[in-house]
Amino acid sequence: GQQLNQSPQSMFIQEGEDVSMNCTSSSIFNTWLWYKQDPGEGPVLLIALYKAGELTSNGRLTAQFGITRKDSFLNISASIPSDVGIYFCAGQRRHFGNEKLTFGTGTRLTIIP
Amino acid sequence: DVKVTQSSRYLVKRTGEKVFLECVQDMDHENMFWYRQDPGLGLRLIYFSYDVKMKEKGDIPEGYSVSREKKERFSLILESASTNQTSMYLCASSFGGANEAFFGQGTRLTVV
Repeated sequence: GQQLNQSPQSMFIQEGEDVSMNCTSSSIFNTWLWYKQDPGEGPVLLIALYKAGELTSNGRLTAQFGITRKDSFLNISASIPSDVGIYFCAGQRRHFGNEKLTFGTGTRLTIIP
Repeated sequence: DVKVTQSSRYLVKRTGEKVFLECVQDMDHENMFWYRQDPGLGLRLIYFSYDVKMKEKGDIPEGYSVSREKKERFSLILESASTNQTSMYLCASSFGGANEAFFGQGTRLTVV
């Protein structure tokens, strides 16, 4: 089955730094989602994107749906300790409808004290 | 709040045992999913179900089966556990036609 290529695989940053990660695919997706997984928990949805070129913010998080529909980006500004975790992108070919999500390989974010 | 509950947080089983992982959701969701999560591989879909008694294979169904006898419950079965099935297993559910999947807290299974 297809997986999305997500980079970087891991990041070590200092508190207050900005973070950028991205997800690429060889196929077109019509929906992009970004999830965060806290240590010991299941993933939780952060942002959903439905239109090519769309830029959506959720607090300090900003995500963009790539214009080619084959990629997506997530930025976190002014990182804080609770941002630690694993971030996953996910794509879906339809806007709605019973179709499975394809997940990226994850980006593990660690904040160095 | 949506609640997806997995029956165990940690499990240790022996090679060859039949293993049942249970998942229950309380939001009347039509769709339910089982994923496994491994470092560097992300989340890979094992099986999913869009309705009671319906099941479809995901990307890595080999060595697994599922059961959905009631809408709220989706069980993952390892017919004969092997060491390469040591992993974190995540259950998720969603409304029919919706994008957002809600996840359980995960079951970390170790097969020895």
